[in-house]
Amino acid sequence: GAGVSQSPSNKVTEKGKDVELRCDPISGHTALYWYRQSLGQGLEFLIYFQGNSAPDKSGLPSDRFSAERTGGSVSTLTIQRTQQEDSAVYLCASSTYRGSNEKLFFGSGTQLSVL
Amino acid sequence: DQQVKQNSPSLSVQEGRISILNCDYTNSMFDYFLWYKKYPAEGPTFLISISSIKDKNEDGRFTVFLNKSAKHLSLHIVPSQPGDSAVYFCAASVDGSYQLTFGKGTKLSVIP
Repeated sequence: GAGVSQSPSNKVTEKGKDVELRCDPISGHTALYWYRQSLGQGLEFLIYFQGNSAPDKSGLPSDRFSAERTGGSVSTLTIQRTQQEDSAVYLCASSTYRGSNEKLFFGSGTQLSVL
Repeated sequence: DQQVKQNSPSLSVQEGRISILNCDYTNSMFDYFLWYKKYPAEGPTFLISISSIKDKNEDGRFTVFLNKSAKHLSLHIVPSQPGDSAVYFCAASVDGSYQLTFGKGTKLSVIP
């Protein structure tokens, strides 16, 4: 596709359930990022992939969060045993190359609501 | 501890006038700054950036000014148009770093 695609666009789940969020980056973009935006807050960095490897997972808020990227393309962010504080918009972005000098292209996000 | 601060949650400006959005940072290691614009139900889109070796960068109606001694940057939009109504995020990084630190955003409303 022309842009970064995320699915689902909205997800409502019950506390304690696991969720998977998917990101399809722009074709050819080697770098992929996950951010989240909680209500009234700025974007919070979660994890960065260069190719299939994630050199920095330090932004993941807890061990309930994990992410993988396969084939240098699609990425999945998994949240296990969801909590209400996990409710946020989860944004995926991609860029042509590692480094913040390269502007990021964001998807529209997944609005996660944990009841 | 917020390293990038946008102290005005919202701003209203008349169409045709200048919009000035402000951003302050605390981390002196930051040396690359970006502005992103976000419409409802869409992801942020890159608007303009500036390196710390410059104090001004201009792109059409958008100009970003950087005052390193004050750790302050601002985005000027002249003239403002109704289509500029959006949330504007300031972001900063250490050059070469993949991690951007974002402010909370300022919601700009341009009134026709």
